[in-house]
Amino acid sequence: ETGVTQTPRHLVMGMTNKKSLKCEQHLGHNAMYWYKQSAKKPLELMFVYNFKEQTENNSVPSRFSPECPNSSHLFLHLHTLQPEDSALYLCASSQGRGQANQPQHFGDGTRLSIL
Amino acid sequence: GENVEQHPSTLSVQEGDSAVIKCTYSDSASNYFPWYKQELGKRPQLIIDIRSNVGEKKDQRIAVTLNKTAKHFSLHITETQPEDSAVYFCAPSNTGKLIFGQGTTLQVKP
Repeated sequence: ETGVTQTPRHLVMGMTNKKSLKCEQHLGHNAMYWYKQSAKKPLELMFVYNFKEQTENNSVPSRFSPECPNSSHLFLHLHTLQPEDSALYLCASSQGRGQANQPQHFGDGTRLSIL
Repeated sequence: GENVEQHPSTLSVQEGDSAVIKCTYSDSASNYFPWYKQELGKRPQLIIDIRSNVGEKKDQRIAVTLNKTAKHFSLHITETQPEDSAVYFCAPSNTGKLIFGQGTTLQVKP
């Protein structure tokens, strides 16, 4: 299944670098999500976008900056990250406005390592 | 906020046996109850979901049962196969915001 595509698959960066993660969905969905998956912890919702508007920011530090230029694309801009930010970052999409409890479809994730 | 717990955290069964994973939640307003499967190094994939107006749903070897009064729902896998080995997550929701459990690692031994 290639409905939700994330790039890059792996990223190693220093704490002072700036990088961006990209997510693209080809499912015609209107809601997109960023999740963080750390070892031994549940998936944590970071941001939700509905029709390009951010509707949820789950107390995420400002060093993570999301951008949603259209319903098919979602970015996560990274700046001055900390070692504890090393994790798998997953993008997901769903139909509806995100409040309608529609199934979410995930990408393969970006494995991020902070040196 | 919603508290979600899965039990057990790990489960090992022989091929052909059944496996049951239970998910308890705290928010009585939750009305959507999905289960996701994540194989090692792969994306989480929805395997079955149920809504609050239904008590049970079955899809071949997989079933989900819901007890809204007791606030728990369970994943049932029958005739387990080695390819069922993965981490399983429940993620109850009432607003479209999924709250994931900590996951259950299922190992099916050939």
